[in-house]
Amino acid sequence: QLQLQESGPGLVKPSETLSLTCSVSGGTISSPTHYWNWIRQAPGKGLEWIGSIYYRGATNYNPSLKSRVTMSLDTSKNQFSLRLTSMTAADTAVYYCATSTTMIFYYWGQGAPVTVSS
Amino acid sequence: DIQMTQSPASLSASLGDRVTITCRASQSISTYLNWYQQKPGKAPKVLIYDASSLHSGVPSRFSGGGSGTDFTLTISSLQPEDFATYYCQQSYKTPYAFGQGTNLEIK
Repeated sequence: QLQLQESGPGLVKPSETLSLTCSVSGGTISSPTHYWNWIRQAPGKGLEWIGSIYYRGATNYNPSLKSRVTMSLDTSKNQFSLRLTSMTAADTAVYYCATSTTMIFYYWGQGAPVTVSS
Repeated sequence: DIQMTQSPASLSASLGDRVTITCRASQSISTYLNWYQQKPGKAPKVLIYDASSLHSGVPSRFSGGGSGTDFTLTISSLQPEDFATYYCQQSYKTPYAFGQGTNLEIK
């Protein structure tokens, strides 16, 4: 069974860049059957899909964040990553990595809380 | 973008009750609709996919229905572990939006 685990800083300063990594075990990110996603949840709010990356590196981003988002794969470490630039307080959230087939999010990480504050 | 609207936003019910949550899409999404359960401090878990298919390991008291723009999640007899927040999500086209959630509380 796939397991995912997010890692990264819990605190980011305004205007800085957030970098998060998701480590995958129990499967390979080179699988052609899975997409690798980032989803976030602001405090007390609902879920927002940030984007996905496919095993060949093709990406698909939410237009609301597209200008600030970059996703990448590291097949040697079986990890995928998120970069979100120009962070503001509105980006304070729990960030989840999740895997999907046909965009049904079957497996999730436990979530990485990120606070934007000086 | 497709907007997903859930109702009600919150719901109080008792053990053993039958409850139904509704999700409406702003345009037709066929049956590309999924339901998730989230408990405080935990990641969501998929319950139903493709509108009516029960995910492996999910109790049969959960069921889903609908197509096009209108969908339902029904819990036939509430158990203590069912009190949580429920989200619908469309997997028809990007961006893959979620509903705002329905908080199911104990009456």
